[in-house]
Amino acid sequence: DTGVSQNPRHKITKRGQNVTFRCDPISEHNRLYWYRQTLGQGPEFLTYFQNEAQLEKSRLLSDRFSAERPKGSFSTLEIQRTEQGDSAMYLCASARDGAYEQYFGPGTRLTVT
Amino acid sequence: AQRVTQPEKLLSVFKGAPVELKCNYSYSGSPELFWYVQYSRQRLQLLLRHISRESIKGVTADLNKGETSFHLKKPFAQEEDSAMYYCALGDSGYALNFGKGTSLLVTP
Repeated sequence: DTGVSQNPRHKITKRGQNVTFRCDPISEHNRLYWYRQTLGQGPEFLTYFQNEAQLEKSRLLSDRFSAERPKGSFSTLEIQRTEQGDSAMYLCASARDGAYEQYFGPGTRLTVT
Repeated sequence: AQRVTQPEKLLSVFKGAPVELKCNYSYSGSPELFWYVQYSRQRLQLLLRHISRESIKGVTADLNKGETSFHLKKPFAQEEDSAMYYCALGDSGYALNFGKGTSLLVTP
């Protein structure tokens, strides 16, 4: 499967714990995006990278969230001191440089208890 | 401010009936608009982009700048069209701004 992959697919954690998600984009795609989707809503943009540079962050990305893409390949999204409001599906997408078409991964569903 | 509005949360039609999924947007400039679809237990996938003028799976969408709309149309709905449909607006940084989605249910 050469599509976007995300791990883990599901994560259950207790409030206050830290969690980290990983995204592996399509190999030739320079751009990588993170979105969050809650029940009844469309995906909401969090942040994106061009290669290893993080070029834009949404106001939704609080100080507890951090994303990296150290070598311009895979990316990680970390949430520190999780809160129940962080429960959501976290989606990763990738795209060729200069292209609007984004290819999405299956998502990581986070449940904070 | 950029905004995408999909006024219908749920749309139910009979097989063979025409379908129109509504999408309105607000954007100052030339919009890049898309329809994405998510079938049950599958990932979000691109259905069409407004500038491609392609018809994929029998669906079309016309950008109407006067009415700021980008409605999705299909002349004859099939049961396999049942899915969640999202309209999305691309911004200058290529991030997508999604609507809340419309769940389409096609019944036999």
